[in-house]
Amino acid sequence: DQQVKQNSPSLSVQEGRISILNCDYTNSMFDYFLWYKKYPAEGPTFLISISSIKDKNEDGRFTVFLNKSAKHLSLHIVPSQPGDSAVYFCAFSMNRDDKIIFGKGTRLHILP
Amino acid sequence: EPEVTQTPSHQVTQMGQEVILRCVPISNHLYFYWYRQILGQKVEFLVSFYNNEISEKSEIFDDQFSVERPDGSNFTLKIRSTKLEDSAMYFCASSQTGDTQYFGPGTRLTVL
Repeated sequence: DQQVKQNSPSLSVQEGRISILNCDYTNSMFDYFLWYKKYPAEGPTFLISISSIKDKNEDGRFTVFLNKSAKHLSLHIVPSQPGDSAVYFCAFSMNRDDKIIFGKGTRLHILP
Repeated sequence: EPEVTQTPSHQVTQMGQEVILRCVPISNHLYFYWYRQILGQKVEFLVSFYNNEISEKSEIFDDQFSVERPDGSNFTLKIRSTKLEDSAMYFCASSQTGDTQYFGPGTRLTVL
């Protein structure tokens, strides 16, 4: 299943700087785009979402950008904090109640 | 803050045995899901459940799998005859209508 690609398995960012996580998708039927965060031994935790009618959604330190023409989703975290160290999954669904299709995840390390 | 809970946190079983994984979704949620993550792989959708019936299931969810909402609070996943390849983290999730899916902490299933 190659509908969702997170090409960076890991990313290291200095504390206080911006973290940028990227994701590409192929299915133009996706209507709802999400980011989840996961700590070890825990389930995925919802972070932020965006619907296909928008190109940006902001929630505190987290901003999600959607480029539909490029089929590209990104998550910006600024400023990055130590507690942001986790695995980040981009995820997609056809609508809000539908199954979620996850990317493989990017492990983010925030360096002191 | 309400959360999805799952029991047990870790289940070890012999191949061919039946297992039941339990979940208590968030109390006012109406949609229920099971996902799994095999070690090193993506989180994969198994099944969604709404209004006391399966609304969608994946290819993974074959005749060996079943789900049930036996009372007003629990949501269970049963695997009738476990196989080695069923070893994975199993996540339950729930959502209100048109809302985000919230995940439980997962049950680690080990099939020997």
